[in-house]
Amino acid sequence: KAGVTQTPRYLIKTRGQQVTLSCSPISGHRSVSWYQQTPGQGLQFLFEYFSETQRNKGNFPGRFSGRQFSNSRSEMNVSTLELGDSALYLCASSPGLALSTDTQYFGPGTRLTVL
Amino acid sequence: LAKTTQPISMDSYEGQEVNITCSHNNIATNDYITWYQQFPSQGPRFIIQGYKTKVTNEVASLFIPADRKSSTLSLPRVSLSDTAVYYCLVGSRDGATNKLIFGTGTLLAVQP
Repeated sequence: KAGVTQTPRYLIKTRGQQVTLSCSPISGHRSVSWYQQTPGQGLQFLFEYFSETQRNKGNFPGRFSGRQFSNSRSEMNVSTLELGDSALYLCASSPGLALSTDTQYFGPGTRLTVL
Repeated sequence: LAKTTQPISMDSYEGQEVNITCSHNNIATNDYITWYQQFPSQGPRFIIQGYKTKVTNEVASLFIPADRKSSTLSLPRVSLSDTAVYYCLVGSRDGATNKLIFGTGTLLAVQP
């Protein structure tokens, strides 16, 4: 099975712009979660989508949003970029069956740099 | 999700066995223990998961004592490529909380 893919791998934007990141989960997985990783804060949960619905949300401002399509592919959007949004954005997919053994599989990430 | 405590860093040499211990005193009855490995600028990679006693796969073993208040990830004969951050996660999954909370992890440095 192909793994989780994320595009683009690297992105450079300037303050005030917006950005859209894409994630394709493992075939058959219905849950897609997004995480932000920075040296200072570590890995932080952004949100999770399951069957095109946001099922859970982390503690991030409304500038961070996402969506999931019927084929389980997901996008996340960050509007009005700030310098502090520079981070590695990770997408993880899982079957989403809410079982205790449900394992999340991560993509390689998108490195966003805000200048 | 249960809070976990791991050493911040560990050093080892190639060919040695490495054991990384994680404490999770308030683990719940239905919680599983999962370990991830992360290399710089890459996503975390699932290593192993267990509930009790011992689990072994092709890359690692996981030892969980009867009280389940701690767990030990064992990496046999490490190589330079095992240098990475290792995260211990404890938590159940349900429809409302399908998220992972990562702690600071353990930076394992393998030297030649």
